[in-house]
This record gives sequence, C-alpha cells and structure tokens, in this order.
Amino acid sequence: DVQLVQSGAEVKKPGESLKISCQASGYNFRTYWLAWVRQMPGKGLEWVGLIYPDDSDAIYSPSFQDHVAMSVDKSGRTTYLQWSSLRASDTAIYYCARRNYYYHSGGRHYGMDVWGQGTTVIVS
Amino acid sequence: EIVMTQSPGTLSVSPGERATLSCRASQNIGSNLAWYQQRPGQPPRLLIYGASTRVIGVPVRFSGSGSGTEFTLTITSLQSEDYGFYYCQQYENRPPALTFGGGTKVEVK
Repeated sequence: DVQLVQSGAEVKKPGESLKISCQASGYNFRTYWLAWVRQMPGKGLEWVGLIYPDDSDAIYSPSFQDHVAMSVDKSGRTTYLQWSSLRASDTAIYYCARRNYYYHSGGRHYGMDVWGQGTTVIVS
Repeated sequence: EIVMTQSPGTLSVSPGERATLSCRASQNIGSNLAWYQQRPGQPPRLLIYGASTRVIGVPVRFSGSGSGTEFTLTITSLQSEDYGFYYCQQYENRPPALTFGGGTKVEVK
C-alpha cells in the first residue's frame, strides 16, 4: 500500500524551532516530487513547496520562501518541513502529498494522489 | 503568479440534485487543472486531473470540463458523501509549481 505517515501534533511558543516529518512507503520514494500544503484553521489549501527526494531539489511558493525549509532523508524515506522561528500565524494543519504524473491526450498531467494524515501545529 | 478563483464560495444543493462548481485561472493554463474533494477532518482526495480525467475509483457522477481559463466541476445526482469542500488546483512543470483556488463548500440545502 502506498502511504504517507506524518509526525504527531505539536504545540510550540512563538520564536521556537520545529521540524515535522512525512515518511513514505509502498513506492519508489526517490522519483516522485513531494509537496507540503498548509491549511490554516477554517481556511483553504495553500501550497508551501515541492521537494524531489532523489537530489533534494526544492521549490518554494513565494509566500513561504523565506520562512520554511524542506529536506529529505533518502535512507529513511522521509521528508521534513522545518521552521527556525515560529510565529502564531504558522498555526495550521500541514499535509504532505505525493505528486503523481499521468499521460493523457499526448500530454503529461499531475495530481497529488496520496496524502498524509496531516500534522497539526499550534503556536501560542 | 497564477491566481485561481473559485465560485461560488458556498453552494446549497439538495440530495439527488446537480452541483456545478466554477474555477477561473488568471492566465491560460491549458488543461493543467486538478480537482480535489475534502471532507471535514480528512485530507484532500484527488478527483480529476487534466481538467477532465477522473482518477480511477472516482464515481462517474463527477465530471470536469473546460480549458484555458474557465473550468467546471459537475456533480450529478449529489449523494450524502459528496458534501464538503472542493478545490481546483493548477499545476506547472518547468519548474514545478502549483496554486489552489479558494475552495467551494457544497452543503445540504
């Protein structure tokens, strides 16, 4: 079974650091981009960034570029999202998701087909 | 940066009726669009990619259409399990990037 399992809920104070994780199983971890997605309380989905496990190539949404960092442990099949100094506005559920690709009508298309269960981060 | 706008914000639909959700892109994205369903307390679920191709296992009552800047998700004969939030998302590949719309809530009328 293809699965993404995320680390547990965190309660932190402003200014503290944090690293949350997402462990993959059931597929070739190295060759699929993994996304991080934020969902603030009662709000919609926001793309945080994408990381390619094979070479750790990381692409960030402009809205998150200077505030978070993504990393990968290939041997542990785990990706991480971390903050060096949390803010109250970081309070949210963070999801990891696999970006799969599909061939259709002569083109390549993408969709996030497997999601982690979400990690709740509370900063207060 | 491409901006995705969904309408309406909330759609009230009776069971068995049709729901029509709209998504607009701020620039031409061809058919690089996916739709997701999110039920309360759950992660999102991929329904459609390429604007109109259903993921395996998604019921046929879900259909997507459109290209360029205007897209539609139609749910015919709404079932109880279909109530929740729906998000469109555009994707790019060089470099990889994506943007979500603000979402549409489908609620019981």
